[in-house]
Amino acid sequence: DTAVSQTPKYLVTQMGNDKSIKCEQNLGHDTMYWYKQDSKKFLKIMFSYNNKELIINETVPNRFSPKSPDKAHLNLHINSLELGDSAVYFCATQKTGTEETQYFGPGTRLLVL
Amino acid sequence: GENVEQHPSTLSVQEGDSAVIKCTYSDSASNYFPWYKQELGKRPQLIIDIRSNVGEKKDQRIAVTLNKTAKHFSLHITETQPEDSAVYFCAVGNDYKLSFGAGTTVTVRA
Repeated sequence: DTAVSQTPKYLVTQMGNDKSIKCEQNLGHDTMYWYKQDSKKFLKIMFSYNNKELIINETVPNRFSPKSPDKAHLNLHINSLELGDSAVYFCATQKTGTEETQYFGPGTRLLVL
Repeated sequence: GENVEQHPSTLSVQEGDSAVIKCTYSDSASNYFPWYKQELGKRPQLIIDIRSNVGEKKDQRIAVTLNKTAKHFSLHITETQPEDSAVYFCAVGNDYKLSFGAGTTVTVRA
């Protein structure tokens, strides 16, 4: 369970604030992802980094900015939070290769009031 | 981009019966087809996957079949148990990216 970890687990904040979510993995994987799961449970990819380089950037507002300081970490910073940002955010990792399993972190439950 | 459709959205089965979930996809270049199970409040976890060169794969009570020509794949759960109750997601892998179906909420009635 500690292979992919996220902090914080819960985040309750006011509209307009700026917040960050952190992800760390000890699997030695080269590729990391951020997903958003909305209230209808739909899992949508937001970003992907491979060896600290951005390789996937879906249609996400530019208030969301990922940062990968090293291969084991991928953080997500969100500016000017909006009500619609309320969701569960999952980090995931994958060994390099297109036919490899993705392992998910425990999720960060973000509630914007 | 890849379009993944998953059916049904909800499935209620009697304990001991079988459950089948089907997914279709659009991009014939897709080559990896995992299934994830997500229990309430938990992370999605891989339960079985199939690569494009295999038509069927089984792991105890769970099996997946793939038809690349028709671009569809299915999850079969036999002898369902209460602990099988969860949301199940199919996904399609192509070039580092997984595209997920909308999920199927499976309820196993005791």
